[in-house]
This record gives sequence, structure tokens and C-alpha cells, in this order.
Amino acid sequence: NAGVTQTPKFRILKIGQSMTLQCTQDMNHNYMYWYRQDPGMGLKLIYYSVGAGITDKGEVPNGYNVSRSTTEDFPLRLELAAPSQTSVYFCASNEPPGQYTIYFGEGSWLTVV
Amino acid sequence: GENVEQHPSTLSVQEGDSAVIKCTYSDSASNYFPWYKQELGKRPQLIIDIRSNVGEKKDQRIAVTLNKTAKHFSLHITETQPEDSAVYFCAATPYSSASKIIFGSGTRLSIRP
Repeated sequence: NAGVTQTPKFRILKIGQSMTLQCTQDMNHNYMYWYRQDPGMGLKLIYYSVGAGITDKGEVPNGYNVSRSTTEDFPLRLELAAPSQTSVYFCASNEPPGQYTIYFGEGSWLTVV
Repeated sequence: GENVEQHPSTLSVQEGDSAVIKCTYSDSASNYFPWYKQELGKRPQLIIDIRSNVGEKKDQRIAVTLNKTAKHFSLHITETQPEDSAVYFCAATPYSSASKIIFGSGTRLSIRP
């Protein structure tokens, strides 16, 4: 059971480039989330999804886009990367009300230069 | 808006002593209160959680208490050990809207040998 898998683990982007962070989970969870965590800071919600075909903005959605075509996958797209997007990105999932525990991926370290 | 306040932001205790981290929440509809531990460079992982119908829960050296009237909950770690050094996050989730998970800002706990 792999849980939540994110790729890539590390990436350096140049300003203005675009990229997609991949996230997949094998727990059949309907709820999925993308968080960012700046150095020494807490978790900020970027986008979330409560099921395939449904996405919604979190606290800090600007500069990002998501899609949810399947239950398993929840990719995060960064358009026109900016230095302010340098952060660690965590994908997560859970299945309330039976499974409130949030399972996080290992994180993706992104640096924009 | 809804928020969760966490104190202190940093905490240093002598090995073997106890550590207490406190959180207050604003959404009275919150009914589920997890605590996550994040070791350096790792993903957050659930260590203990409590639901609103319970006032206290223990798991070996860690315990969580909840005061719904005052809207605050606390994490207690007894007989601290070096491996307890990490960042701890509290969170609050209303049953009615599981996607509205609100995390505290985190407490960096250091255990002095």
C-alpha cells in the first residue's frame, strides 16, 4: 500500500517556467488536498477536491491550477513560476467521515530561481 | 474567518520533563481535533486525535485534552525523549465540512539532553 505518492521530489524552475506536480493515492479517498509549506512555517491550503470532477480554492490559490479527472490523481499545475512559489508542496488525502486522518505525501521541494 | 491559534511557537524542555502545547479554535462547529508531528525534512504524520464527545485521550506518553466550552485543546507529552524533537501542528475540523481543515501555525519542540 503506497499511500500518497508525489513526484518529483525536488525541482528547480526558472522564473516564468511552468510545471506540474503529480499526486496519486491508492486508498480510494475522495478528498484530496494540496498544501504549501514555506521554510519554518505552517501549512497553507492551495486547492482541494471532494471527488472526481470537483475542485475548489483554498487559502492561497493564485498562481496554481488543479484538475481531478480520476479519484486517484490530483495534479497541481504551476503557471509562470515566481520566486514566491519556492516552497515545499504536500499532497494529502482522507475519506471523511469514516477516515478523518489526513495522509500526506512525502513532499515536493520546489525552488524558483 | 475561522482560525486555529497555537502556542507557543517554540518550546525547549529538558529531556525527561513534560511538554504542553495549546490550541484554541474559533469555529464552534469543529468536532474533530488531530495533532500532527513533522520531523525535519519529513511529512506531517498523525500522532493522536480526539473527537468532541471525548474530553481526554491518551496513547502511552502523549495525551490530548479538549475543553469545548472554552474552545481549546492541548497536547501533553510526558517523559520527553530526544526523538520527540519536531514541529507539532494542531488542527480542527467540523464534521459538517471535512474539507475545512484548519491547521495551527505549529510549535517547534526541542528536547535538551
